[in-house]
Amino acid sequence: GENVEQHPSTLSVQEGDSAVIKCTYSDSASNYFPWYKQELGKGPQLIIDIRSNVGEKKDQRIAVTLNKTAKHFSLHITETQPEDSAVYFCAARPPTGTASKLTFGTGTRLQVTL
Amino acid sequence: GAGVSQSPSNKVTEKGKDVELRCDPISGHTALYWYRQRLGQGLEFLIYFQGNSAPDKSGLPSDRFSAERTGESVSTLTIQRTQQEDSAVYLCASSRQSGGRRETQYFGPGTRLLVL
Repeated sequence: GENVEQHPSTLSVQEGDSAVIKCTYSDSASNYFPWYKQELGKGPQLIIDIRSNVGEKKDQRIAVTLNKTAKHFSLHITETQPEDSAVYFCAARPPTGTASKLTFGTGTRLQVTL
Repeated sequence: GAGVSQSPSNKVTEKGKDVELRCDPISGHTALYWYRQRLGQGLEFLIYFQGNSAPDKSGLPSDRFSAERTGESVSTLTIQRTQQEDSAVYLCASSRQSGGRRETQYFGPGTRLLVL
């Protein structure tokens, strides 16, 4: 089955700096890669996703890049703000079998300091 | 509109007791998922329902775990004879469909289960 690894497990940046979180996946057939943000005491919320037919996607301060050859994808947050502090999860979904059964990374705890 | 809701928000139980967790998906969402999140860890898939199809139970860790869903409405996750290792946050998510452009999963706030 699919295996997703995520690094780093914790990340501390100063407000205004950029943050990068990286994930690798094992199943080359995976074609959907969402990123979720989880704030304390809440369920994860989708912040951006990318499909295997594109290499990059941006939404304001957030961008995701995908390298299918290397089987890795990354989340980039620019001009970080204190409200970006949360746990971020990447996920991957193979196209076969149960179509939307996501495999999640272990999470990155991002802390944005003033 | 209303999001995914789960109840109870917190549950403390004694080892050996049965517990039932409830999930109300977003109206119109045909797909429903249960995940388990142990402290400081990622989300572990448990079970998936899609419309009237047979559920995908491949993530259930043991036969003490079961889940039901009637049609496209409420789902309950039951854990029998709870063990301390069952302590975790149980998250429910729903999506418009499985696969395709409308597959975004929307999560509820979770039920925090503590087994003493």
